[in-house]
Amino acid sequence: TQLLEQSPQFLSIQEGENLTVYCNSSSVFSSLQWYRQEPGEGPVLLVTVVTGGEVKKLKRLTFQFGDARKDSSLHITAAQPGDTGLYLCAGPQNTGNQFYFGTGTSLTVIP
Amino acid sequence: DAGVTQSPTHLIKTRGQHVTLRCSPISGHKSVSWYQQVLGQGPQFIFQYYEKEERGRGNFPDRFSARQFPNYSSELNVNALLLGDSALYLCASSLQKGNYGYTFGSGTRLTVV
Repeated sequence: TQLLEQSPQFLSIQEGENLTVYCNSSSVFSSLQWYRQEPGEGPVLLVTVVTGGEVKKLKRLTFQFGDARKDSSLHITAAQPGDTGLYLCAGPQNTGNQFYFGTGTSLTVIP
Repeated sequence: DAGVTQSPTHLIKTRGQHVTLRCSPISGHKSVSWYQQVLGQGPQFIFQYYEKEERGRGNFPDRFSARQFPNYSSELNVNALLLGDSALYLCASSLQKGNYGYTFGSGTRLTVV
């Protein structure tokens, strides 16, 4: 059982379309992070959200942390081929010293 | 500035053998964590080390062990390799023990045959 479930698992869209990726858990997280990973590389940190209800924008990417700090979403506006990659949410538990990654969403943007 | 460096980049081992993977964190980073990533899945947490002490451990068998050296570099050791240990092993470093964003290396691709 994964602590952080992402949906959808796979997403293939045309350039210019919008999309949303979801990250859900039954557990509370003190913070959540979003990473993007390209083949053969390690994940690259995109953003960290800390406060419940927080919204952060990074150019065409909008990240939201749920009010209860159990879920998060990533919205991409006008997707471009360069957005292609594996998107991962991740975060520490409120208790303990473990850091969990989500199941991942593989995004392909077709030119 | 050098990022997180891992060595080797690729490795092929035989079942039952032992392997040592190495990681050098970003200069000034005192926390190093190890992850296993199977193709198509998210990374799974193995260990976190901070100031040379183990601070967290994931759900991995005792065949997996690690240590952190005085210069904050780290080694991940896996004994009695199984086919299922084939994966990308990622190392990440951060400034502090708290998990507020990691910088990852490019990983070591381990294939067990």
